[in-house]
Amino acid sequence: KQEVTQIPAALSVPEGENLVLNCSFTDSAIYNLQWFRQDPGKGLTSLLLIQSSQREQTSGRLNASLDKSSGRSTLYIAASQPGDSATYLCAVPLLQGGSEKLVFGKGTKLTVNP
Amino acid sequence: DAGITQSPRHKVTETGTPVTLRCHQTENHRYMYWYRQDPGHGLRLIHYSYGVKDTDKGEVSDGYSVSRSKTEDFLLTLESATSSQTSVYFCATRYRIPGAWSSGANVLTFGAGSRLTVL
Repeated sequence: KQEVTQIPAALSVPEGENLVLNCSFTDSAIYNLQWFRQDPGKGLTSLLLIQSSQREQTSGRLNASLDKSSGRSTLYIAASQPGDSATYLCAVPLLQGGSEKLVFGKGTKLTVNP
Repeated sequence: DAGITQSPRHKVTETGTPVTLRCHQTENHRYMYWYRQDPGHGLRLIHYSYGVKDTDKGEVSDGYSVSRSKTEDFLLTLESATSSQTSVYFCATRYRIPGAWSSGANVLTFGAGSRLTVL
């Protein structure tokens, strides 16, 4: 059974700080990992998809890395801004009965203070 | 939201009443999913669909049924709502990055959610 853990559950930082969010998974036989952002009362917005053939992906101030052998992914946010405040979730695919489903971590709630 | 519309966005109902949530997509994606999100539990899969009239159960399917008569619509029905089904429900679709050929290029995209309160 695939389990996804995100630590810490909450993080508060001052504006401008660089930060790292962590995601770990128990079954390393994955072919991708997806990071999402969720604002309060909103749906999930896909941030980055890292395929197993890739070690990292970048989008603006965001950089996500994937290390399948250790069962870990990190999301690096450079020069954090108050607008980055949100909950960040990671998810990995699970194949069951020939169909793919995503297993989610419970998220890290990030607060960036002005 | 990549063309995903959920309705209603908010609903308050009473225990024992039937409720149907609708997910409509305009992207012609084959795979569609219903998740619920609860504090302390995160996102949990209820049901999913891999094509018209092709559906299967997720990890928390008890008390829910789904139907997909058209590619664009995926309905979630609570036959007799209970207070434990008070939650935020999210619909999602899955697509492959254009030009990619592997499952590693599958991306999940979500609707804005439907908040259901069962009194």
